[in-house]
Amino acid sequence: GESVGLHLPTLSVQEGDNSIINCAYSNSASDYFIWYKQESGKGPQFIIDIRSNMDKRQGQRVTVLLNKTVKHLSLQIAATQPGDSAVYFCADLTGGYNKLIFGAGTRLAVHP
Amino acid sequence: EADIYQTPRYLVIGTGKKITLECSQTMGHDKMYWYQQDPGMELHLIHYSYGVNSTEKGDLSSESTVSRIRTEHFPLTLESARPSHTSQYLCASSEIGTNNEQFFGPGTRLTVL
Repeated sequence: GESVGLHLPTLSVQEGDNSIINCAYSNSASDYFIWYKQESGKGPQFIIDIRSNMDKRQGQRVTVLLNKTVKHLSLQIAATQPGDSAVYFCADLTGGYNKLIFGAGTRLAVHP
Repeated sequence: EADIYQTPRYLVIGTGKKITLECSQTMGHDKMYWYQQDPGMELHLIHYSYGVNSTEKGDLSSESTVSRIRTEHFPLTLESARPSHTSQYLCASSEIGTNNEQFFGPGTRLTVL
């Protein structure tokens, strides 16, 4: 069945380093992905999205890469800051019903 | 900041009580959703709605029910709360059509004793 999963449950990085969070999906027909950030006690917040006609998309300090061949996407955060500490989810927007399928999430811990 | 609100933010209640979790959005979105999330875990869709008088079950079976009488309002009700219902409940909304971002509320953390 449809699934979206993350490779690592926890990622620890030093402040100022770059962070890479990975995500795999199983549905080859998936065409739209969103990365969400969820801080403790809050709802998920949109970070960046990417459509299947793109391989890369950049935002402010964040870059999402999509490899459709191996059904993998990644979120790169440049110069990670303490405020980036949160759980990050990749989500697959299955077509037609506009329902997001969320992976398990990766907790990013930023150390000074 | 998304204009979607949930009340209460925290609720501790005894077994057998009836509860209603409120969700309202002021963005005029037709689609609304309820997700259940255990701490540090993935979100599971339990209900969604395409618009007024439309409600559908999500991917995760839930004993809760929802209603959509007004576009901006999508309450979730548990007729008889049990400890197994302890979780975080997140409400979201999006515009009609495909490939649209979902905006999330802050969530309600429910504890059933």
